[in-house]
Amino acid sequence: EPEVTQTPSHQVTQMGQEVILRCVPISNHLYFYWYRQILGQKVEFLVSFYNNEISEKSEIFDDQFSVERPDGSNFTLKIRSTKLEDSAMYFCASSDEWGYEQYFGPGTRLTVT
Amino acid sequence: AQSVTQLGSHVSVSEGALVLLRCNYSSSVPPYLFWYVQYPNQGLQLLLKYTTGATLVKGINGFEAEFKKSETSFHLTKPSAHMSDAAEYFCAAPEAAPGAGSYQLTFGKGTKLSVIP
Repeated sequence: EPEVTQTPSHQVTQMGQEVILRCVPISNHLYFYWYRQILGQKVEFLVSFYNNEISEKSEIFDDQFSVERPDGSNFTLKIRSTKLEDSAMYFCASSDEWGYEQYFGPGTRLTVT
Repeated sequence: AQSVTQLGSHVSVSEGALVLLRCNYSSSVPPYLFWYVQYPNQGLQLLLKYTTGATLVKGINGFEAEFKKSETSFHLTKPSAHMSDAAEYFCAAPEAAPGAGSYQLTFGKGTKLSVIP
């Protein structure tokens, strides 16, 4: 069964450093998403991406964040200068053209020290 | 904006007992509703979804949920809990109707289910 994959599973970084979280969505999907879950809190939407551009973004997704689909398979989330409060689990998701179901990856746990 | 409320951050049931996890939503547009499950150290897996049609929706692993518009509820149930059901469960609703392209999901805070042998 096709699945969304994410790397790395856990990333530790120092405050102020740049990090890139990687995702490989399901191959025939057209819509891509990033969500995050701070420990003990709800899963929150960050951004959606379609046809090589951002469709929607939340208030959380400020200028420190960017997304990219550098090739036909990868979808990345970059945080330019990490803050302590960026520590969270980051989930990538994708959906097909009908969008009725978002398939989630296993997540990347980001720890900023 | 959508609001999804899950009552009870932690629910414990005995093995073989009924599982009831509550979800209420608020929306001014016809809702599409989802339940996701997260097993330890894993991603979010779709349990079931309500789009249109039958209000009683069956999902994987014996779970089902009933959409009740009058109560704005979408509670998740399973007649008999199994040890393998121990996980965190999230109710979610989209900000726009799926089929319209991309949409963001609004999640509830989650309910952690423990199953006691």
